[in-house]
Amino acid sequence: DQQVKQNSPSLSVQEGRISILNCDYTNSMFDYFLWYKKYPAEGPTFLISISSIKDKNEDGRFTVFLNKSAKHLSLHIVPSQPGDSAVYFCAASHTSGTYKYIFGTGTRLKVLA
Amino acid sequence: NAGVTQTPKFQVLKTGQSMTLQCAQDMNHEYMSWYRQDPGMGLRLIHYSVGAGITDQGEVPNGYNVSRSTTEDFPLRLLSAAPSQTSVYFCASSPWGIVNYGYTFGSGTRLTVV
Repeated sequence: DQQVKQNSPSLSVQEGRISILNCDYTNSMFDYFLWYKKYPAEGPTFLISISSIKDKNEDGRFTVFLNKSAKHLSLHIVPSQPGDSAVYFCAASHTSGTYKYIFGTGTRLKVLA
Repeated sequence: NAGVTQTPKFQVLKTGQSMTLQCAQDMNHEYMSWYRQDPGMGLRLIHYSVGAGITDQGEVPNGYNVSRSTTEDFPLRLLSAAPSQTSVYFCASSPWGIVNYGYTFGSGTRLTVV
């Protein structure tokens, strides 16, 4: 039973446009969410996070939105750059537990020059 | 800082062989964990540790053992390798109690069991 789902395996976007990556979760106990970026042959790197007490967190070109009622979060990248081409994973945890993160299956983003 | 170091980077095993995947971190992180990445499955937690001497199971622990004798090291042991354990394995670490820090991942070990 997949508690964290990324339903789009891949996404292509033109350079300079907005990339929107989506993530849905089923466990209402989750209260902390992260996004990771992964290049081939490398480990995932932490990108941005959001707590359930917020509905938006911004860091430069990256913004994460959280809709708790819909159990949905999204990552917006504006403007998209070719170097953003990677696999993006969302992850969720409930912080009253042991900080174990459950990861989604990933979305491969390709930014076209 | 080296961060999280995983060895080896690549390994081919025969069914039934045993081996240990090494993971070391130099950031004095209390929390360490092992994930496996399979196509279409994302990253799945195998085992984790919240400090030396303390380990626990994740989502997919069967066929794997871990121990944590020091803060720095968290080896993953395959006792009798099976083709289903063909995967890319990632070790990750994090400070304990700083929830927004995120994990620092190693670069992975690609394991093939034939």
